[in-house]
Amino acid sequence: DTGVSQDPRHKITKRGQNVTFRCDPISEHNRLYWYRQTLGQGPEFLTYFQNEAQLEKSRLLSDRFSAERPKGSFSTLEIQRTEQGDSAMYLCASSAGAEGDTQYFGPGTRLTVL
Amino acid sequence: RKEVEQDPGPFNVPEGATVAFNCTYSNSASQSFFWYRQDCRKEPKLLMSVYSSGNEDGRFTAQLNRASQYISLLIRDSKLSDSATYLCVVNSGYGGATNKLIFGTGTLLAVQP
Repeated sequence: DTGVSQDPRHKITKRGQNVTFRCDPISEHNRLYWYRQTLGQGPEFLTYFQNEAQLEKSRLLSDRFSAERPKGSFSTLEIQRTEQGDSAMYLCASSAGAEGDTQYFGPGTRLTVL
Repeated sequence: RKEVEQDPGPFNVPEGATVAFNCTYSNSASQSFFWYRQDCRKEPKLLMSVYSSGNEDGRFTAQLNRASQYISLLIRDSKLSDSATYLCVVNSGYGGATNKLIFGTGTLLAVQP
């Protein structure tokens, strides 16, 4: 499968714990995006990388959230001191890099904070 | 006001029906427009891009009215397999500064046998 992959697919954690998610984009896609989707809503933009540079962060991304893409390939999203309100589907997408190009989404990581 | 607004539905239609979804967006500087489809508990997948001239892909027709900041999707001859949530999506990127997608809440379509 050469699509976007995410790991883990599901994560259940207790409030206050730290969690880390991984995203592997489509090979040679230089843009990578993180979105969050809660029940009944469309995905909301969190952050965006072009190669290893993090170019934009949403106000939704509080200081408990950090994302990295150290070598311009895979990316990680870490949430520290999780809260129940962090429960959501975390979606990763990648694109080839042209303006307005198609973003391809991974299957998502579903986070449940107890 | 949300940046992208669409009727959440649900739209319950019989097989073979024609159904239309509408969407409005607030940022007049938006550059690119899409319809994504999302099946229950799955990731969004691109259905089609939307152009000012209108575009068609089989049973699906999308249209964009920049003056009214309005996007539409028409599905003809609905199939059971069309049952899904349809997300109206706007790319806010301009001038190379960003490329983030702004999603509507989605419209749920249920095609009945």
